[in-house]
Amino acid sequence: DTGVSQDPRHKITKRGQNVTFRCDPISEHNRLYWYRQTLGQGPEFLTYFQNEAQLEKSRLLSDRFSAERPKGSFSTLEIQRTEQGDSAMYLCASASTSAGYGYTFGSGTRLTVV
Amino acid sequence: AQTVTQSQPEMSVQEAETVTLSCTYDTSENNYYLFWYKQPPSRQMILVIRQEAYKQQNATENRFSVNFQKAAKSFSLKISDSQLGDTAMYFCAFMKLTMDSGGSNYKLTFGKGTLLTVNP
Repeated sequence: DTGVSQDPRHKITKRGQNVTFRCDPISEHNRLYWYRQTLGQGPEFLTYFQNEAQLEKSRLLSDRFSAERPKGSFSTLEIQRTEQGDSAMYLCASASTSAGYGYTFGSGTRLTVV
Repeated sequence: AQTVTQSQPEMSVQEAETVTLSCTYDTSENNYYLFWYKQPPSRQMILVIRQEAYKQQNATENRFSVNFQKAAKSFSLKISDSQLGDTAMYFCAFMKLTMDSGGSNYKLTFGKGTLLTVNP
């Protein structure tokens, strides 16, 4: 068990470009979450998967954002036509239904849009 | 909707001393969990301590303990014998355990955090 892995750790992109982040959860965890953390703020919920099903999306997740979790394993978060306001740390976390409520967070992907 | 408020943006404490971080929350729910998470600089967020709302007894984990006042909707974290490695952002978080449909997605609502610096 190597924990939750996120790739890349850092991403600098020009405004208008598309970016994709990857999250590899703990293998036996069926729940996967994406959060966004901006400077000086706590993480904010973006979306949630149980296995491969995306069960909830925050209103923060505009049409430019899409997330997938094919086959209930790794997940990707794509941002199209990035804007400077998208600059943030994107956190992934996984959890097990059988374990109840404990999250394991990844180290995050820091996105900078220039 | 739930809100979590941490009124102390920054705090500092001398090594080996005790410090208390404040957190208040607002909810109409009766069934929930409260958490304190620690986020060291450039490192991942880790769980410090968890409190079930139905339990009257305050949770403790080694040097970390909470003062949970359900009626006042207050959930403070006490760190005893502070160590240099305790330097981090500390986030208070709320988790609702029920949804209208009867299920729950166990998502977290975080406060803005308190930056704690432990000085040698």
